Amino acid sequence: AQSVAQPEDQVNVAEGNPLTVKCTYSVSGNPYLFWYVQYPNRGLQFLLKYITGDNLVKGSYGFEAEFNKSQTSFHLKKPSALVSDSALYFCAVRDGGATNKLIFGTGTLLAVQP
Amino acid sequence: DAGITQSPRHKVTETGTPVTLRCHQTENHRYMYWYRQDPGHGLRLIHYSYGVKDTDKGEVSDGYSVSRSKTEDFLLTLESATSSQTSVYFCAISEGLGEAFFGQGTRLTVV
Repeated sequence: AQSVAQPEDQVNVAEGNPLTVKCTYSVSGNPYLFWYVQYPNRGLQFLLKYITGDNLVKGSYGFEAEFNKSQTSFHLKKPSALVSDSALYFCAVRDGGATNKLIFGTGTLLAVQP
Repeated sequence: DAGITQSPRHKVTETGTPVTLRCHQTENHRYMYWYRQDPGHGLRLIHYSYGVKDTDKGEVSDGYSVSRSKTEDFLLTLESATSSQTSVYFCAISEGLGEAFFGQGTRLTVV
């Protein structure tokens, strides 16, 4: 069965510093991986995805993620955090099978201090 | 924004009553999903659909049923609402292996 783990409930970082939000996954076939962001009282917004190709994926708002097959990880990164990046971040994995089931992690709250 | 609408946006209902939430899309996407979001649990998949009349259970399907009689509508029914089903419910749609697009959510309170 496919699963996603986000080991940190919260990540604190100072504005201007690099940030990393961790995600590991388990899936039987090829992984299709996604990051989403949720601002308070809002729906989920898509940030970036890995389907195939380069292991470093670039997305919206300066975010990027690195796919590491051997470590089954897909960590979200940004070189310089902004206070406005403070939000809830979700990692998700799709199994790519006939039913295309999409499973999310428990989320990581990112707090960027000025 | 993707054409996806959830209704109602807010609902308060009494324990034991049936409740139906509607997800309507105008994108003609094949796949549709219902999730619930609760603090500490993230987004948990309730049911999903991979085509008209093709549905399957997710992680937390007990007490919920779904129906999809046409491409654009995916209904989630709480057969007999309980307080543990108080939550925010999100519908999502996708096509192929790409990203999913989410509705704005339905806040359901069971009293």
